[in-house]
Amino acid sequence: GDSVTQMEGPVTLSEEAFLTINCTYTATGYPSLFWYVQYPGEGLQLLLKATKADDKGSNKGFEATYRKETTSFHLEKGSVQVSDSAVYFCALSDLYRDDKIIFGKGTRLHILP
Amino acid sequence: NAGVTQTPKFQVLKTGQSMTLQCAQDMNHNSMYWYRQDPGMGLRLIYYSASEGTTDKGEVPNGYNVSRLNKREFSLRLESAAPSQTSVYFCASSEAFATVSRGETRQYFGPGTRLTVT
Repeated sequence: GDSVTQMEGPVTLSEEAFLTINCTYTATGYPSLFWYVQYPGEGLQLLLKATKADDKGSNKGFEATYRKETTSFHLEKGSVQVSDSAVYFCALSDLYRDDKIIFGKGTRLHILP
Repeated sequence: NAGVTQTPKFQVLKTGQSMTLQCAQDMNHNSMYWYRQDPGMGLRLIYYSASEGTTDKGEVPNGYNVSRLNKREFSLRLESAAPSQTSVYFCASSEAFATVSRGETRQYFGPGTRLTVT
């Protein structure tokens, strides 16, 4: 079945460092891909999305490009801030399967001042 | 707009006790969802309601029941709580079910209910 694999955390970086959180997926159809962020004590929020191959989603300085050839959707940010400390979830949803969102296990990011 | 609200925020149950988690949304969304979040497991879908009057099982429905009371409210019931149901429970809603897949609409999540079963 469809699945999402993302790098294990926690990831600890210094402020202003470059961030990459890897995400790869397995899907038999044509999934949309998402990154969600969960700040401490809160629910999930959609961070960015891409609905077809080569699309780039971006928001709040974060970017991810839908790479069909490598089945990846890696999250990047050029200069992280302490306020980016959160848990990040990669997810997919496949219109031609059952439409449900499948989440990865989450990657905890901790930014040091 | 309050968005998606959940009650209670925290709950401790003894094994065998029952309880209902409440969820409401004020965005006139058609679809609502219940997830559980466990360390190292990500989010897993328990049940969902694609539209008012319908409910369907998700990935991990055993031990739970749901009721779509009306368009606004979607409750999750644990009839006989077990320690394996210790988790954080999130309710979510979206404008429509299928359009989430196309990325046309998004799911909005509530703040979560932290449940401990001893």
